Amino acid sequence: EAQVTQNPRYLITVTGKKLTVTCSQNMNHEYMSWYRQDPGLGLRQIYYSMNVEVTDKGDVPEGYKVSRKEKRNFPLILESPSPNQTSLYFCASTYLSSGGAGDTQYFGPGTRLTVL
Amino acid sequence: GQQLNQSPQSMFIQEGEDVSMNCTSSSIFNTWLWYKQDPGEGPVLLIALYKAGELTSNGRLTAQFGITRKDSFLNISASIPSDVGIYFCAGSSSGSARQLTFGSGTQLTVLP
Repeated sequence: EAQVTQNPRYLITVTGKKLTVTCSQNMNHEYMSWYRQDPGLGLRQIYYSMNVEVTDKGDVPEGYKVSRKEKRNFPLILESPSPNQTSLYFCASTYLSSGGAGDTQYFGPGTRLTVL
Repeated sequence: GQQLNQSPQSMFIQEGEDVSMNCTSSSIFNTWLWYKQDPGEGPVLLIALYKAGELTSNGRLTAQFGITRKDSFLNISASIPSDVGIYFCAGSSSGSARQLTFGSGTQLTVLP
């Protein structure tokens, strides 16, 4: 079954304590991305990756890092979390068709992060 | 960055009624996508539009890509209780689903 998995699903932490949210996909997709979802703001892209070792900033990258050492995994790292990073985070994996029309994006189930 | 204005923010409708929601942008998009998010889950793609003027249906859902390329709408006909959720529009200036800009969502409640 095509899947994007995220862990943990829920996390409460304190300011400054480094954390990593893992994301894994089993569809051999090259393109993966991270979004945060906040009330009234929809989803905003944090980082994306076109392929292994190729990552780039999205719209709201400040305070986040990512890595793409393997095709299937795309972890999101918060080196020093702050309360304004309290949010719902989604990882997404995208099948890119040739030409673009036909792209299909799969979202993970989400990680609810609270930073105290 | 680019912004999408999605309206309405929320809707309460009776089961069986038709629903319409729309998104407008200040800039041109080459791709419009509509997603639905159920509570506790990630968004799921409903309809993808890649051509200005395109009208596409998926069961009771119909979406259109505006000819100015700055707007899109989604219609749901004969709503049922499982239509409840948050609906998001998303646009991209590329002709693909990369680097999407999302609207703020429309929360739909269907009353029995």
